[in-house]
Amino acid sequence: GQSLEQPSEVTAVEGAIVQINCTYQTSGFYGLSWYQQHDGGAPTFLSYNALDGLEETGRFSSFLSRSDSYGYLLLQELQMKDSASYFCAVRTMDSNYQLIWGAGTKLIIKP
Amino acid sequence: NAGVTQTPKFQVLKTGQSMTLQCAQDMNHNSMYWYRQDPGMGLRLIYYSASEGTTDKGEVPNGYNVSRLNKREFSLRLESAAPSQTSVYFCASSEKGNSNEKLFFGSGTQLSVL
Repeated sequence: GQSLEQPSEVTAVEGAIVQINCTYQTSGFYGLSWYQQHDGGAPTFLSYNALDGLEETGRFSSFLSRSDSYGYLLLQELQMKDSASYFCAVRTMDSNYQLIWGAGTKLIIKP
Repeated sequence: NAGVTQTPKFQVLKTGQSMTLQCAQDMNHNSMYWYRQDPGMGLRLIYYSASEGTTDKGEVPNGYNVSRLNKREFSLRLESAAPSQTSVYFCASSEKGNSNEKLFFGSGTQLSVL
């Protein structure tokens, strides 16, 4: 089967850096995506990694290691508005290239 | 541009009732999707339409039907609602289906089945 694991909750301080990990067990891996969802809102796309390495978009970066079946989302200079749930999702050949989603990580930011 | 528009935002049904969730996108995207989201879980794909005229089952299609009415519109129908279908439903669209085009989501429908 296919599965993704990410921590259910992470707490950090405003202005700090936080890393949200995602490990996956799939066959035919195609790429790893990250989405942000505020309470009561819709998911919004953050980043995508198909190849090993780090992708940077402003304060957010995403990393992928295909050999370790592992990725992470790095959030820098945390702001209160970053309080949200963060989902990793993988696209695989076995899922007919449709996204398989993790259960999400709730990021709590304290002042 | 409105992006992806879903209606209704909230709905309460009794067991056995039917209803249709409507979704429209104005981004000229080829692919559209219906997901459900339950507490503590990620999104699960119900059905998708890779292009106008095609629909395919996702991870959890039982109890649902879909219609890709045209390129803009993709509806989800519950023929006989069950309490297990209580969930938040999201419609999404993307430019392509088989590569990582990012998904754009509607604001969601909170459905309760009593």
